[in-house]
Amino acid sequence: ETGVTQSPTHLIKTRGQQVTLRCSSQSGHNTVSWYQQALGQGPQFIFQYYREEENGRGNFPPRFSGLQFPNYSSELNVNALELDDSALYLCASSLGRQVSYEQYFGPGTRLTVT
Amino acid sequence: ILNVEQSPQSLHVQEGDSTNFTCSFPSSNFYALHWYRWETAKSPEALFVMTLNGDEKKKGRISATLNTKEGYSYLYIKGSQPEDSATYLCASGDQAGTALIFGKGTTLSVSS
Repeated sequence: ETGVTQSPTHLIKTRGQQVTLRCSSQSGHNTVSWYQQALGQGPQFIFQYYREEENGRGNFPPRFSGLQFPNYSSELNVNALELDDSALYLCASSLGRQVSYEQYFGPGTRLTVT
Repeated sequence: ILNVEQSPQSLHVQEGDSTNFTCSFPSSNFYALHWYRWETAKSPEALFVMTLNGDEKKKGRISATLNTKEGYSYLYIKGSQPEDSATYLCASGDQAGTALIFGKGTTLSVSS
């Protein structure tokens, strides 16, 4: 297993609510990327944080936001939850922001929106 | 928008069989190609990161090749074992070289 942890493991929320997912990166890694995996799809890039700043964003609305802390752990916040937000959310940490670096994934948070 | 395609979608082999999967990706603005092995309820495990045309990498019974000019990569498993049962994902770097664009994966099932 990688040194990347995510919490919580599972979460059930109601449409319209807000949720915060957390990710602890592997020691020494300054970059965290977040991905959403919907059923039957490959993981889709949400955004990346490099040294506490957003460094790239995928095709997700502004109600998906994030933070990276000085210890390089990260949060993903989703406001005004919709049914389609039900998915597995993965975070990955790496030594740098380029895709040539190996990315170490956590086990994910399963979010269900009812 | 990049599209990464993987085939086959699923595969069932007998223990001892050798097998291979294909990953195709746009060949323009290539940065890197990643292969992951993902068992249910676990974290995706990085197998290989390849950046150069003609790259060949090997880890035990698993190997991968890369052709960036034509936009494909092959993953080979020699002498499949039941513990190789997993979903194998490939991902290519996006136009900015920042994000990974994933395929939908190939699910391998190995029977003993």
